[in-house]
Parts: sequence; structure tokens; C-alpha cells
Amino acid sequence: GAGVSQSPSNKVTEKGKDVELRCDPISGHTALYWYRQRLGQGLEFLIYFQGNSAPDKSGLPSDRFSAERTGESVSTLTIQRTQQEDSAVYLCASSLGTIGEQFFGPGTRLTVL
Amino acid sequence: AQKITQTQPGMFVQEKEAVTLDCTYDTSDPSYGLFWYKQPSSGEMIFLIYQGSYDQQNATEGRYSLNFQKARKSANLVISASQLGDSAMYFCAMRESAGRRALTFGSGTRLQVQP
Repeated sequence: GAGVSQSPSNKVTEKGKDVELRCDPISGHTALYWYRQRLGQGLEFLIYFQGNSAPDKSGLPSDRFSAERTGESVSTLTIQRTQQEDSAVYLCASSLGTIGEQFFGPGTRLTVL
Repeated sequence: AQKITQTQPGMFVQEKEAVTLDCTYDTSDPSYGLFWYKQPSSGEMIFLIYQGSYDQQNATEGRYSLNFQKARKSANLVISASQLGDSAMYFCAMRESAGRRALTFGSGTRLQVQP
């Protein structure tokens, strides 16, 4: 497909375990964003990648959260030692540069028991 | 201070009528963009409309229009001829040209279209 894809669509984990969430952006999109959406709330920015520039990590809530992106391809968001408060939908978006419209993936619903 | 404020947690509208969803924003950046997204119960985020701070005319996209009042810092979404499929959460968002390039979202408005 031509859109942003994310995997897994759902993830249930136990408190204290690490999780990895994957995002495949639209081909050719240089900018990639991760957001978190808690139940019934708006989206919170987590981290932003633009080309080969240093990522903007200013939205990461704690050092348990990290993300990587290789070039202009796949990105992985890792949450270490998950807590129940990490339960949310994690959304990835990509755009052509920093000006263009952001296209969102379907999200990964994370549940921490 | 909130950068994006959506004061209507929920709205009802009759099918075929128009509805306005409110959004006010706060920025000192002279160059910024305002976005509206729709999020149906399926969870996907669907881009609806964009307004740049220097755009002279209000943006329109089909049944969607943006009532941009720069001096009042408001960017209300108007949906004309509401359809049952318009029932969803609607989020207003802003991107400033300086600093962070990601979108800052409001808390959303849940719109329910009644037959």
C-alpha cells in the first residue's frame, strides 16, 4: 500500500517489559513523527526525524522512551520497562519535508497490564 | 498556556445542517499553519483542511471550510450539509515555523450527526 503502516496493530504487555513499535513511512517522505494518544485525549508529540538531521526528542516523556530511524525509512519506537501509564495508541506520521501535510498511520494500541 | 484550545468537547448536529467547530490558538510566531483532522471510531487520522498564516483567503475543501480570523487567533472548521459519516472526533492542530516542526493538537471535539 501507499500509506503509512504500523505494526503491530495491538500490543498487550506486562508491566516492566520492553516493547518495540514499528513505523513504515510513505516512500520518499523525509520527515517522520511519533505521537501518543491517551484514551479520550488529543495527540501528544513524542519525537521527530527529518532526513539526516539530529532528531527532535523534546516530546519524549522519560528516558524509558527512545526511537531510531535509518535514513528515510523505517522507524522503531522503543519503550523500556513499560508502566501502566504508557497504555495509549501510538501514532506515526510522515510528510514530504517539514512543510507538507502529515499522513498518519493506523496506530499501535499498547496496553500495559 | 494551551497552544490550541477546543472548547466544545461534544457537538450535535442534524443531518444536512451546517456545523461550526471552534478552535483558538496561541503563538507569537508570525508564520504558522493550522490544520484540521478527523478521527472516526476506527482511529485513523484523516487530514481535512489547511490554512497558512499568510493566506489571504479562507481555505475550502469540498464541504469543509475554515473560518480564519487572524486577529482573534481563531480557526473554526465549518462543515456544510452534515452527513451521518461525519460523526467523529475532530482535532485542530498548529505547526509553527520556528522550533518544533511537529503538530500541536487540541483536545478535540466529538461531533455526532443525528438523522
